[in-house]
Amino acid sequence: AQKVTQAQTEISVVEKEDVTLDCVYETRDTTYYLFWYKQPPSGELVFLIRRNSFDEQNEISGRYSWNFQKSTSSFNFTITASQVVDSAVYFCALSEAGHSGAGSYQLTFGKGTKLSVIP
Amino acid sequence: ETGVTQTPRHLVMGMTNKKSLKCEQHLGHNAMYWYKQSAKKPLELMFVYSLEERVENNSVPSRFSPECPNSSHLFLHLHTLQPEDSALYLCASSQGLAGSNTGELFFGEGSRLTVL
Repeated sequence: AQKVTQAQTEISVVEKEDVTLDCVYETRDTTYYLFWYKQPPSGELVFLIRRNSFDEQNEISGRYSWNFQKSTSSFNFTITASQVVDSAVYFCALSEAGHSGAGSYQLTFGKGTKLSVIP
Repeated sequence: ETGVTQTPRHLVMGMTNKKSLKCEQHLGHNAMYWYKQSAKKPLELMFVYSLEERVENNSVPSRFSPECPNSSHLFLHLHTLQPEDSALYLCASSQGLAGSNTGELFFGEGSRLTVL
């Protein structure tokens, strides 16, 4: 069974500080995808990134960066120079590839980390 | 116009009412999903439709009844709900199923349901 753990329930930082959101996952599959989603107060989850299990390169997109470490089953998310607009709940998620890589229907989410950026 | 639109945004209903939630996606995707988001709990997958066929029913009580008349529309019919069913119901769509190489989900803003 797959499982995603986001140990940090809530984090508060002052604007311009860097912050890292932790994500640890469990899966028995060798082929899987990891995701991060942002849920602002408006409610919709906004897709941020997808990573497949064969690509351990870290990724940077503007102020966002992701550190994928298969050895520790972690997929951590860092926001550099945080801004008030970054305040949201952030979800890490895992999906196994299923048979023939066609998809497995099931996207398992962590419980989310609520980030508050204080001006 | 956003990619995935849900209506109504807020719904209050009694336990004996019948209501429906509607989801429409404008992205040309072939898979649609209903998720339930309750306080302090992870998002729970309820139903998955791929090419208008239901492919997953995640042990959801029969008082929730999905309908997918075409690839752009998804409904969740609600009947004799319980107060513990109060939650945010999120619709999502994807091109390819979650876990495929194109399967990232695009979510609507959700329908906030309160059952009295």
